Amino acid sequence: GAVVSQHPSWVICKSGTSVKIECRSLDFQATTMFWYRQFPKQSLMLMATSNEGSKATYEQGVEKDKFLINHASLTLSTLTVTSAHPEDSSFYICSARDQASGSLYEQYFGPGTRLTVT
Amino acid sequence: KNQVEQSPQSLIILEGKNCTLQCNYTVSPFSNLRWYKQDTGRGPVSLTIMTFSENTKSNGRYTATLDADTKQSSLHITASQLSDSASYICVVTGGSGNTPLVFGKGTRLSVIA
Repeated sequence: GAVVSQHPSWVICKSGTSVKIECRSLDFQATTMFWYRQFPKQSLMLMATSNEGSKATYEQGVEKDKFLINHASLTLSTLTVTSAHPEDSSFYICSARDQASGSLYEQYFGPGTRLTVT
Repeated sequence: KNQVEQSPQSLIILEGKNCTLQCNYTVSPFSNLRWYKQDTGRGPVSLTIMTFSENTKSNGRYTATLDADTKQSSLHITASQLSDSASYICVVTGGSGNTPLVFGKGTRLSVIA
């Protein structure tokens, strides 16, 4: 089946530093990828939609200058948390839409990245 | 407003027992409904996906049903195992399908020996 990987799986950083998270579709092409954030015992919250070769679309309340998204190829999107603060600590999950899945618009999720800002 | 409501919020069952999780949605127009299993600290994994015309879909011990008229879905787990302990999330796609997913808050299932 389709596989989406994320790297790193977990990261600890100091407040004020930047962290980059990678999301890769391993065996399919994804013109669209999504970035979610999930707090403990809560559902996934969509942060932004990333389209290959164009600017990401951010959900209301998500700072585009703080969460930089780059989707440079059909298999890779990156999320950079700039000037991280402790309140940015969360579980970040990406998903990739399989463009070959037709009208089902099948999405496959990555395993997530646990970010802890100290 | 597009919403997905799941019940119960949490459930504890004995190993080997069956259980049914519920999902009601108000997403319109409707494209498809998916059930995901999310283990703690992991990303969601798809169990089933159903379009408007499908009433039932099975994946091993998991059977999902969909009633598009009442906008309800259920996920039935048969002969539960300890490894079934996870959050089960109902997700609905509206519009043409090429729109953001609407997530339920999930049901936290704990299977105990």
